[in-house]
Amino acid sequence: GDQVEQSPSALSLHEGTGSALRCNFTTTMRAVQWFRKNSRGSLINLFYLASGTKENGRLKSAFDSKERYSTLHIRDAQLEDSGTYFCAARTGNYKYVFGAGTRLKVIA
Amino acid sequence: EAAVTQSPRNKVAVTGGKVTLSCNQTNNHNNMYWYRQDTGHGLRLIHYSYGAGSTEKGDIPDGYKASRPSQENFSLILELATPSQTSVYFCASGDAGGARAETLYFGSGTRLTVL
Repeated sequence: GDQVEQSPSALSLHEGTGSALRCNFTTTMRAVQWFRKNSRGSLINLFYLASGTKENGRLKSAFDSKERYSTLHIRDAQLEDSGTYFCAARTGNYKYVFGAGTRLKVIA
Repeated sequence: EAAVTQSPRNKVAVTGGKVTLSCNQTNNHNNMYWYRQDTGHGLRLIHYSYGAGSTEKGDIPDGYKASRPSQENFSLILELATPSQTSVYFCASGDAGGARAETLYFGSGTRLTVL
C-alpha cells in the first residue's frame, strides 16, 4: 500500500537553530499536509501543499510530487515549537496517509 | 477557522462494552474522518464519510462502525471494545473532494482506555 516514510523520528534543537524534517513517498501523491501535535494533544494545521513551497513565519515547506517528497524547515527554533510533527500525504479524493511523526524537542 | 469538536475527551471502558465517540463540525464540510494514533505509527484511517448518510471503510476498519446521521455529526462506534483499541482517536473534517484542494481540520482527540 501507499507508504510515507518520515524522518527523523526524533530531533533535538537548541533555541535559535534550525533543521529540516522530511517525508518520502512510495508513490505519487496529490498533495501533502503538515501538522504539529501540541502539548495538549491537539493537531494544528501548518501547511497544505499541492505543489511548490509555502512559508509562514519561521516555517517553510516544500512538496515535489514528481520526486516524491516533502520537507518542513524550521529556523530560529523556539521552545514553543516543541511537539510532534506529522506529514500527511493525500493519496486520493478522501484518503490521507500519515507519516509516523517527528518528535521535536527544543532546548534552551 | 474550522471547528471540530470531539467528545468525550477521555474515556475508560471495559472489555466487551460498547463505546461511542462523537464528533461534531460546524463548518459544513462534506468529508469527515476517524483516525487512531498510536506510538510509532502515523494516524491510521478507520472510517470516513463524504456526506450525510455515507460511511466508508478506511485502512483499519475491523472492530469499528461509523455513523454519519447528518452533515455535522460523525460517530465512531466500538460495539465490543477490546484492549487493543486503547488509543487516541482523532476526528477530522475536510472542505473539498475530487481535484480541489482539501485541508483537514482536526478535533482535539479522545483518549480511550479499554481495561
